Amino acid sequence: DVKVTQSSRYLVKRTGEKVFLECVQDMDHENMFWYRQDPGLGLRLIYFSYDVKMKEKGDIPEGYSVSREKKERFSLILESASTNQTSMYLCASSLDIASALFFGSGTQLSVL
Amino acid sequence: EDKVVQSPLSLVVHEGDTVTLNCSYEVTNFRSLLWYKQEKKAPTFLFMLTSSGIEKKSGRLSSILDKKELFSILNITATQTGDSAIYLCAVTSGTYKYIFGTGTRLKVLA
Repeated sequence: DVKVTQSSRYLVKRTGEKVFLECVQDMDHENMFWYRQDPGLGLRLIYFSYDVKMKEKGDIPEGYSVSREKKERFSLILESASTNQTSMYLCASSLDIASALFFGSGTQLSVL
Repeated sequence: EDKVVQSPLSLVVHEGDTVTLNCSYEVTNFRSLLWYKQEKKAPTFLFMLTSSGIEKKSGRLSSILDKKELFSILNITATQTGDSAIYLCAVTSGTYKYIFGTGTRLKVLA
């Protein structure tokens, strides 16, 4: 079974803090993704990566950065957290561009 | 612009009913259509469809794709309260983007 693991289920941070969300997949997938999900807005793509050290902006990259130093690990960084970044963050991976996405269990981030 | 539209937005049924969820799409260079079930946390993968007319089945769930009319349906027979969830449809189009619909919220009453 594909396993995508996110390091935290719930996280509470203060405005201005630097936040790291970690994601690890164990299926040797090429592609990894970070989404945020908000009520009424659905899933929105923040960043994705199709190879080690490669990254592409998604639909809402502002205020975020990513790092992929190893194939299995994809990190999302909030350089200076703001209250409008309170959201459910979902990491996902896929084998190729037409394959199923497999999601981690999500991190509910609250920025106070 | 690529888009995926799901209907209905929400649905309330009683246990034992059969439901049909719809997903229509407009994308350039269609590759695959995916169905997911989302309960309290992350979406879980149900089906991937790439060819028209071939039904995918898993227990009480089944799905079929019509590439000519650009839609897919997800059927759930003999619904149970555990089927209550948001069902998401997504389409891939040869890029790295997965285009998601906003989902159908299904509630199954005992």
